[in-house]
Amino acid sequence: ETGVTQTPRHLVMGMTNKKSLKCEQHLGHNAMYWYKQSAKKPLELMFVYNFKEQTENNSVPSRFSPECPNSSHLFLHLHTLQPEDSALYLCASSQEAAPEQYFGPGTRLTVT
Amino acid sequence: AQSVAQPEDQVNVAEGNPLTVKCTYSVSGNPYLFWYVQYPNRGLQFLLKYITGDNLVKGSYGFEAEFNKSQTSFHLKKPSALVSDSALYFCAVRLPMDSSYKLIFGSGTRLLVRP
Repeated sequence: ETGVTQTPRHLVMGMTNKKSLKCEQHLGHNAMYWYKQSAKKPLELMFVYNFKEQTENNSVPSRFSPECPNSSHLFLHLHTLQPEDSALYLCASSQEAAPEQYFGPGTRLTVT
Repeated sequence: AQSVAQPEDQVNVAEGNPLTVKCTYSVSGNPYLFWYVQYPNRGLQFLLKYITGDNLVKGSYGFEAEFNKSQTSFHLKKPSALVSDSALYFCAVRLPMDSSYKLIFGSGTRLLVRP
């Protein structure tokens, strides 16, 4: 799991706060992903970045804003979230030549 | 619509017995297939994949999976379960021609191995 790191591991924020989630991969991959994992729901793909370019935005509300400054770092900026946004947010990365994705440990987000 | 089904929310098995976690898929073309495991408060861990070739693929921790094209299934198996195998298991597919590399996940199956 040390190949993909995420910070913070836990975050509690009010609905009017602004915060950011950070993901870093040390695997030399060229694609990075954000997923949302809610209780009793399948993993939901949120965003995909390939060579720093966003290639997928899965109808995610604008209160979630991704940023990928380089192929090793991925951020998820959060503002004016809703309680239903409380979930585990997972970052993953992959290499084009190998189709499997490698996941970080996740950030447990609670919106109060 | 592309989808992955894991028909069992939970599978219970005694330690030492064989286990099977089921997965079927509905996608166009010939997908790549994956199994991941998630332990409490952890991210997903890659177990194994099927790309092409032998229908039986072997992965980490003694797990294997059998690809069946006619039944569009990719069931996860282990000959002898351990208590430490208790976790949440996810099946996933990826379409080879999808340039976004996105994975489509099943809803997950909780495996409980009792001593």
